Amino acid sequence: SQTIHQWPATLVQPVGSPLSLECTVEGTSNPNLYWYRQAAGRGLQLLFYSVGIGQISSEVPQNLSASRPQDRQFILSSKKLLLSDSGFYLCAWTGDNQETQYFGPGTRLLVL
Amino acid sequence: GENVEQHPSTLSVQEGDSAVIKCTYSDSASNYFPWYKQELGKRPQLIIDIRSNVGEKKDQRIAVTLNKTAKHFSLHITETQPEDSAVYFCAASGGSGTYKYIFGTGTRLKVLA
Repeated sequence: SQTIHQWPATLVQPVGSPLSLECTVEGTSNPNLYWYRQAAGRGLQLLFYSVGIGQISSEVPQNLSASRPQDRQFILSSKKLLLSDSGFYLCAWTGDNQETQYFGPGTRLLVL
Repeated sequence: GENVEQHPSTLSVQEGDSAVIKCTYSDSASNYFPWYKQELGKRPQLIIDIRSNVGEKKDQRIAVTLNKTAKHFSLHITETQPEDSAVYFCAASGGSGTYKYIFGTGTRLKVLA
C-alpha cells in the first residue's frame, strides 16, 4: 500500500535561518507531488507542485523553493526564513488516477 | 482566475441533526470534486468525492450532490455526531490547471451534544 512520510514533524527555527523539509512517498511510481502551507486556523495554500523528476511549478512567489531529486522525493527549502513562513506544511500526492490527493502528516514550523 | 467559494464558514448543529456545506466553483472545465475533513492539528483526510458525470454520491451518513449547470456542489452529513466536529474543505480540479486543486476556504462544523 502507498504511504507518505514527512519530516521533521515539528520545527522551531530563528528568523533568517535556512529550511529543508522532506517528503517521500512509498508504494507508487511517478506520482504528482504537492506542497501546501496552512496558517493557523486558515485554509490550504498551494505552494508548489511537480509532475515528474526535476519538474517544479511554483504557485506563489516567495522566499521558498522546491526540488524533486527523485521520483518519490519532494523537498521544500528556504535560504532565509521569515516570521510569515510559520505554519503547517503539508505534502500531498496523487495516486494512479491523478485525481485524488492524499496528504502527509505535515510539518509544523514555528519561526521565531 | 479560478475560484471556489465555500459557505458557511462556521456551522453549529445539534447532535442528530443534519449539516449542509455548499461550494461554488468558477471553472466550468472542473470535473472532480473532493471533500476533506481536517481534525484539529491533523492532516486533511478525504471523506468523499464526486466526478462530473455523477449527480449524487452517498457513503453511509455522508452524501455529496453536484449541479454542473449551476456550478455548485454540496456536502450533506446526516445524523451528526460529536466526532463529526472538524473543519471541512471542498475542492475542484481538472480544469485549466489539470493537476491542481482549487480549495474552498473551509467550514468549521461544531456538533453540540
